[in-house]
Amino acid sequence: EPEVTQTPSHQVTQMGQEVILRCVPISNHLYFYWYRQILGQKVEFLVSFYNNEISEKSEIFDDQFSVERPDGSNFTLKIRSTKLEDSAMYFCASRKQGAVNEQFFGPGTRLTVL
Amino acid sequence: KNEVEQSPQNLTAQEGEFITINCSYSVGISALHWLQQHPGGGIVSLFMLSSGKKKHGRLIATINIQEKHSSLHITASHPRDSAVYICAVGSSGTYKYIFGTGTRLKVLA
Repeated sequence: EPEVTQTPSHQVTQMGQEVILRCVPISNHLYFYWYRQILGQKVEFLVSFYNNEISEKSEIFDDQFSVERPDGSNFTLKIRSTKLEDSAMYFCASRKQGAVNEQFFGPGTRLTVL
Repeated sequence: KNEVEQSPQNLTAQEGEFITINCSYSVGISALHWLQQHPGGGIVSLFMLSSGKKKHGRLIATINIQEKHSSLHITASHPRDSAVYICAVGSSGTYKYIFGTGTRLKVLA
């Protein structure tokens, strides 16, 4: 069964460093999402992406964040200069075209900023 | 005020008990989703509802669109059901999910 994959599973970085989190969505999906979950808190929406552009972003998704679909399979989230408060689990999700289709989640990348 | 509210926040049950988790929302939705999150962090979709009721094994989910309320029921609960159960609503437009805070369920043998 097709699934969303994410790499790495755990990333440790120093404050101020750039990180790139990678996701491979399900191949026939057209809508892509990034969410994050700070430890002990609820999952929060970061950004949605369709047709090679951002379709919606939250106030969390400031200038330090960017997303890209560099090729036909990968979907990446870049954090330019990490802060301690960026430490969280980051989930990628994708879904098919159509008004009401469920999103499929990747296993997450745990980002730890020291 | 949270757009998606869940209750209870924590729930401990004995094996075999019937469990109900509630979700209320205050925004317009395209659909409501029940998700399960295990201690490792992975999120699995259990149900997507836009009306009525769905059943999958021992899990039953219902939604009342007029009252903006949904319930997840687990019949004959088992320790392997222990997880965080999350209600999320799909917003109109980009269909992003808006998540509730989750209900941490522990089922004791």
